[in-house]
Amino acid sequence: QSALTQPPSASGSPGQSVTISCTGTSRDVGAYNFVSWYQQHPGKAPKLIIYEVYKRPSGVPDRFSGSKSGNTASLTVSGLQAEDEADYYCCSHGGSNPFYVFGTGTKVTVL
Amino acid sequence: EEQLVESGGGLVQPGGSLRLSCAASGFIFSTYEFNWVRQAPGKGLEWISYISDTESAIYYADSVRGRFTVSRDNTQNLLYLQMSSLRAEDTALYYCAREKAAAGGDSLDIWGQGTMVTVSS
Repeated sequence: QSALTQPPSASGSPGQSVTISCTGTSRDVGAYNFVSWYQQHPGKAPKLIIYEVYKRPSGVPDRFSGSKSGNTASLTVSGLQAEDEADYYCCSHGGSNPFYVFGTGTKVTVL
Repeated sequence: EEQLVESGGGLVQPGGSLRLSCAASGFIFSTYEFNWVRQAPGKGLEWISYISDTESAIYYADSVRGRFTVSRDNTQNLLYLQMSSLRAEDTALYYCAREKAAAGGDSLDIWGQGTMVTVSS
């Protein structure tokens, strides 16, 4: 099964918003409300920032928001800050094979 | 503090074997489910294996099925990944990650720092 499709890059100035799309299929993103997003800074482990499409773990700023429509999920980062510069990966449950499928990743640059 | 620490990575020849370990602390290991996720140098994340709390459900990615075996020791708070018939394309940083919710498939809320596996002659 192929990875979920994300744009390779996205950028915005401090204070602006950036939205990252994540396109899957009816077997993964479209089938389950188990879409999650991970932030990964260089040399660091991924960090969960959104789960179950739109929910935020404790400690994650409300500048991060998630949504889904059909086979496409989206992550919006509002009020961009320098520390938001990182790689972002979406992920969806895919049944038992595969159990999870990750997105191709998007590098967010804060201009 | 809830924590996962991987170990066991290293340099191995093609066709060789390696066993990775993931030590958990700060939470009740036996009640959680886990995954292994890898990241090749400069590449994205790839899910490779899932194991339920009692080992009643185990899943593998097509890329490793038949070569990798996941297991756990709930008495020692340890997760394992036994890797055999290793190939150059298995070279990656291997992460263990905890399932956020019971039954699995929701999301991965705790990640280790990763252990590097390099397959090369």
